[in-house]
Amino acid sequence: LAKTTQPISMDSYEGQEVNITCSHNNIATNDYITWYQQFPSQGPRFIIQGYKTKVTNEVASLFIPADRKSSTLSLPRVSLSDTAVYYCLVGDYRNQGGKLIFGQGTELSVKP
Amino acid sequence: NAGVTQTPKFQVLKTGQSMTLQCAQDMNHNSMYWYRQDPGMGLRLIYYSASEGTTDKGEVPNGYNVSRLNKREFSLRLESAAPSQTSVYFCASSGGGINNEQFFGPGTRLTVL
Repeated sequence: LAKTTQPISMDSYEGQEVNITCSHNNIATNDYITWYQQFPSQGPRFIIQGYKTKVTNEVASLFIPADRKSSTLSLPRVSLSDTAVYYCLVGDYRNQGGKLIFGQGTELSVKP
Repeated sequence: NAGVTQTPKFQVLKTGQSMTLQCAQDMNHNSMYWYRQDPGMGLRLIYYSASEGTTDKGEVPNGYNVSRLNKREFSLRLESAAPSQTSVYFCASSGGGINNEQFFGPGTRLTVL
């Protein structure tokens, strides 16, 4: 499973767009990029998954350049409730029993 | 739908005691997982079960055993608890689908004295 690198922490203010970048230089051909969100004292929650280009859902957008060695999670107009830890994971989740390898994640703090 | 449920929510053990953490899901998922999360760390996979009747070791299986009792239930047993097993334990399940996303339970906070 490819190793990922992401910032340990980020600060933002309500209403701003937040972009969290994840580096995954050793991504394999069959790997997908997945992001999870974890609030304090809760289990992680799936946010978004993509393979290439751009994916958008009701919560976030995921931008993946052509070389796929990095990806950016974009959260539009964050609110206080978006304060959480965000994990970037890379792997062939669709064919390996869905095993997830979590790194330390990025702790996002949204201020009023 | 309750999703993934875990019992107990909290537990305090003394070194050497044993206990079983229970997990159940009502989403008809094939795969189930046990993770532990230590303070300030990401989750680490202990054991997983890709389907009923099968179990496999994850990153940190030592000191634990699991049982996939049926499709719904996946239990984690600590035979002789140690202080190093103080952690928050999460159970998760996944059922395939386009993203094969995992759904997590609320966690069990375990302290071993």
